Amino acid sequence: EAQVTQNPRYLITVTGKKLTVTCSQNMNHEYMSWYRQDPGLGLRQIYYSMNVEVTDKGDVPEGYKVSRKEKRNFPLILESPSPNQTSLYFCASSDLRGPVANVLTFGAGSRLTVL
Amino acid sequence: GENVEQHPSTLSVQEGDSAVIKCTYSDSASNYFPWYKQELGKGPQLIIDIRSNVGEKKDQRIAVTLNKTAKHFSLHITETQPEDSAVYFCAARKSGYSTLTFGKGTMLLVSP
Repeated sequence: EAQVTQNPRYLITVTGKKLTVTCSQNMNHEYMSWYRQDPGLGLRQIYYSMNVEVTDKGDVPEGYKVSRKEKRNFPLILESPSPNQTSLYFCASSDLRGPVANVLTFGAGSRLTVL
Repeated sequence: GENVEQHPSTLSVQEGDSAVIKCTYSDSASNYFPWYKQELGKGPQLIIDIRSNVGEKKDQRIAVTLNKTAKHFSLHITETQPEDSAVYFCAARKSGYSTLTFGKGTMLLVSP
């Protein structure tokens, strides 16, 4: 089944404790992206990647890091989490060419709470 | 950059009624306008999209209209059903760019 898999789905952590949210897709998509969803603010892009070893900042990159060492994986790293990073996070991927170019497939989400 | 405004933020309708959600965008270079539906506890999923060379597109009970001159596009759902209850997001993408800018979402509630 074509899908984007995120882990963990739920996480409660404390301020300053480094964490990584993994994202993997099995569709051979070039494009991958991270969003955070907050009440009243919709979906805001954190980082995106158009191919292996190519990453770019989105609208709200502060406090986050990403890497794209393999085409299928795009982990989101919070080096020193703070309470304002409490949010629902989504990973998404898409083709960049062809009839379904730019149609995003989203993961199920990762709910992160930072105390 | 692109800015997408979406209204209303919540919409309550009775089963069988129609629902309309409206979005405006700021960048006239935008040429791709998708709509995503997010059910409770799930990630958003594409339901319909439209490109700037088309004024209207239909898929069964849903339709999207685009007015490039006014820079706005709308989602129309006819004969609403309780399973249409969800959060709907509009988005816009500029020509030559890969990233989507999303609206803030509309929570649609369809009462039986």
